[in-house]
Order: sequence, then structure tokens, then C-alpha cells
Amino acid sequence: DGGITQSPKYLFRKEGQNVTLSCEQNLNHDAMYWYRQDPGQGLRLIYYSQIVNDFQKGDIAEGYSVSREKKESFPLTVTSAQKNPTAFYLCASKAGATDTQYFGPGTRLTVL
Amino acid sequence: DAKTTQPTSMDCAEGRAANLPCNHSTISGNEYVYWYRQIHSQGPQYIIHGLKNNETNEMASLIITEDRKSSTLILPHATLRDTAVYYCIVRAYYGGSQGNLIFGKGTKLSVKP
Repeated sequence: DGGITQSPKYLFRKEGQNVTLSCEQNLNHDAMYWYRQDPGQGLRLIYYSQIVNDFQKGDIAEGYSVSREKKESFPLTVTSAQKNPTAFYLCASKAGATDTQYFGPGTRLTVL
Repeated sequence: DAKTTQPTSMDCAEGRAANLPCNHSTISGNEYVYWYRQIHSQGPQYIIHGLKNNETNEMASLIITEDRKSSTLILPHATLRDTAVYYCIVRAYYGGSQGNLIFGKGTKLSVKP
């Protein structure tokens, strides 16, 4: 089955700890995205990557970091510098020739 | 990208058609209308998109007015599983640029038995 996977579905961390969220896709898509969603709100762009070994900051990149060493993978690290990390994190990908994005199931991060 | 306006919530009876409106009065000639939906605690799901002509796929139909200032997403026979937040997004096709989607608050559709 082709698609985007995110793991884990739920994640709990203590304040001050870094945590890495996984995103993998087997759709052979070039572009990948990380969004954050807070309760009752729309999605906000954290980082995006158009191609392997390249990524750009989105609207709310402070306190986050990413890497794109492989086409299939785009992990997001939530660092201790992120002041309010508790949120629902969504990864998406799209083929270069289209504007349709496909989303993973999301990871709900709770910082205690 | 043009701004969109959607009602906050709507109800629909199971088995009936659900018609979800979206206003995008400042849409430009090169901007597409996209619809996504998000079922509670899941990732958004692509439904359909269009530029000028009406579009239909296995999930829904998209009706765009002739002046392109508004559109309607139609779910022909709503089921309980269609209960979700529906997002109308307008964006130009940038090809290789940033390409992110701007999600507003959408319409919460509740399908009732």
C-alpha cells in the first residue's frame, strides 16, 4: 500500500527534552511538509523540503529542526527551545507536477 | 492566495446530499479551488479540486460559479462517516515553489441519522 506513515501516534515527553517525530512516504514524492495544528485551528507550516538535502523554514520554524537525507524520510525534531510544543503534528507530501498534498495520520505530542 | 469564507458548521441528514458552500470573491484567474476534509484526530484527506469547470470524482462534486467567486462541494449521499471538518482552499499552481496549503477553520459537517 502506498502512503505516508507517521510514528508514533501519541507521544509524551517531559519539558526540556528534545523529541523526534518520524515521517516516511513510499509515494516517490519529491516535496514533503510538516504542519502543526492546535485545537480548533487550521494548519500552520513548520518546514518544507522540495528535494533531498534541501529544506526551508515555514511560518513557525522556531524551536524545530528537520533533515532530508533520503527522499522517503523527513523527520521533525521538536527542541526544548519550542515554547509550546503540545500539538497535533501532520506530515504531508506531494508530487512535483501537482499541487495535491497527501497527509499522514498525524502524531499527537503532549509535553508534560 | 485568495481568502476563503465558509460557514462554521452545518448539519445534514444521513442519505441526503450535503452542500458545502465556500466564498472566494478575490480569486485570481490562475487560482484553483481545493477541498480537503479532516475527520477527528486524523490527517486531512484530499477530496477534489478545480479551476473553472465543474468536477466530479468518486467522493464528491465541485460546482464553481461562472464568475468563480464561490463554489459548492456536494457529497451526494452523506453517511455518518462523512462527519468531518471540510476545508476550502484557494491557491495558484506554483509548480516548484513553496507549495504549502493554507488551511482556515473550515466547516464542521455533522451527518445525523
